[in-house]
Amino acid sequence: DAGVTQSPTHLIKTRGQHVTLRCSPISGHKSVSWYQQVLGQGPQFIFQYYEKEERGRGNFPDRFSARQFPNYSSELNVNALLLGDSALYLCASSKLAGGPNEQFFGPGTRLTVL
Amino acid sequence: QKEVEQNSGPLSVPEGAIASLNCTYSDRGSQSFFWYRQYSGKSPELIMSIYSNGDKEDGRFTAQLNKASQYVSLLIRDSQPSDSATYLCAVNRLTGGGNKLTFGTGTQLKVEL
Repeated sequence: DAGVTQSPTHLIKTRGQHVTLRCSPISGHKSVSWYQQVLGQGPQFIFQYYEKEERGRGNFPDRFSARQFPNYSSELNVNALLLGDSALYLCASSKLAGGPNEQFFGPGTRLTVL
Repeated sequence: QKEVEQNSGPLSVPEGAIASLNCTYSDRGSQSFFWYRQYSGKSPELIMSIYSNGDKEDGRFTAQLNKASQYVSLLIRDSQPSDSATYLCAVNRLTGGGNKLTFGTGTQLKVEL
């Protein structure tokens, strides 16, 4: 079975631009979570979606938004990019939301903001 | 106090030895605990999950959980050079119908020949 897929793999943007990152979960998984990982740190929680509804939001500014589609794939949007948004953006898929669900990560999108 | 704390390392062990990785957490309401392995330039890979006090073994890996002490550990037996990576401890907390993983900064493990 295919794992979590993310696109694009790498992305270079300039300050002020916006970006859209995409994620497809493991087949049969209905929940997608987004994380930001900067060098030398653990991933930081941004959002969780389940059945197209937001189920959790981390401490990130309103420039960050996300949505989930009927096929359970998801997009993360970041507006007005700042240099500090440069990071590895990770999508994680789980069967459900809530409870002791294991989350499986995709390969990530490396975003560089110049 | 950080929500999840790990010693950043590097932790160096000889090939064939036992590597012991430790993690403490601050939220007593945390319900499930995970260890991820992350190779340089790659994404985290789930290697162990543990939900109740005690030990859980899977191959060369053993996870240990002590909720009273708010402590989670990972033991890697017969360490191999391929185990050299950063190990991330993650703690799961329920939030409004969802769940949020909080990660430590990771411990870098080096297995030396």
